[in-house]
Amino acid sequence: GAGVSQSPSNKVTEKGKDVELRCDPISGHTALYWYRQSLGQGLEFLIYFQGNSAPDKSGLPSDRFSAERTGGSVSTLTIQRTQQEDSAVYLCASSLDGTGDRADTQYFGPGTRLTVL
Amino acid sequence: GEDVEQSLFLSVREGDSSVINCTYTDSSSTYLYWYKQEPGAGLQLLTYIFSNMDMKQDQRLTVLLNKKDKHLSLRIADTQTGDSAIYFCAESITGGGNKLTFGTGTQLKVEL
Repeated sequence: GAGVSQSPSNKVTEKGKDVELRCDPISGHTALYWYRQSLGQGLEFLIYFQGNSAPDKSGLPSDRFSAERTGGSVSTLTIQRTQQEDSAVYLCASSLDGTGDRADTQYFGPGTRLTVL
Repeated sequence: GEDVEQSLFLSVREGDSSVINCTYTDSSSTYLYWYKQEPGAGLQLLTYIFSNMDMKQDQRLTVLLNKKDKHLSLRIADTQTGDSAIYFCAESITGGGNKLTFGTGTQLKVEL
């Protein structure tokens, strides 16, 4: 069956440009998560969706970062006016319900490697 | 607060056992996970343990949890070259939407 997919796999952009990263979760998974993996900061949580709403945006590093999810499925992470410190691998994960009341396995996509020149 | 730490590197010989350690600070952790990341690949869930358990075995993998000391370990028996990867421990907290707080990662190198 299809896993979590992300696009593009690689993105190189110039400082100051906007970028959009896409995540297609596993069909039927109501919870969706964005994480960022960088050399200096390790793996960090960014935002969590339950359906189309985002009850936890606490990990977004600045107001240049935003995310949306439509139809309870695809999610887009947008970074405006990119900076060099935004360079990282952006990982998306989905899980069945995200309640945390039981081991709700998160399945990760392969990530998008973002390089800001 | 949430802080999860791991040693950075571990080198073992093929056929030996590997033990990867993790310490965490949040006593309200509900589930603790071990993920594996191979070069250029995403994260693969290996196993998890509920916080009221102290041990879980799954084939070559054994997870030990010492909740008093907030210490988690992953033992890989009969380590193979295909086990070479970065291993992350992670915790989730009830009511936290199941978001994961990851450790710094341990790079396991298996030598012949």
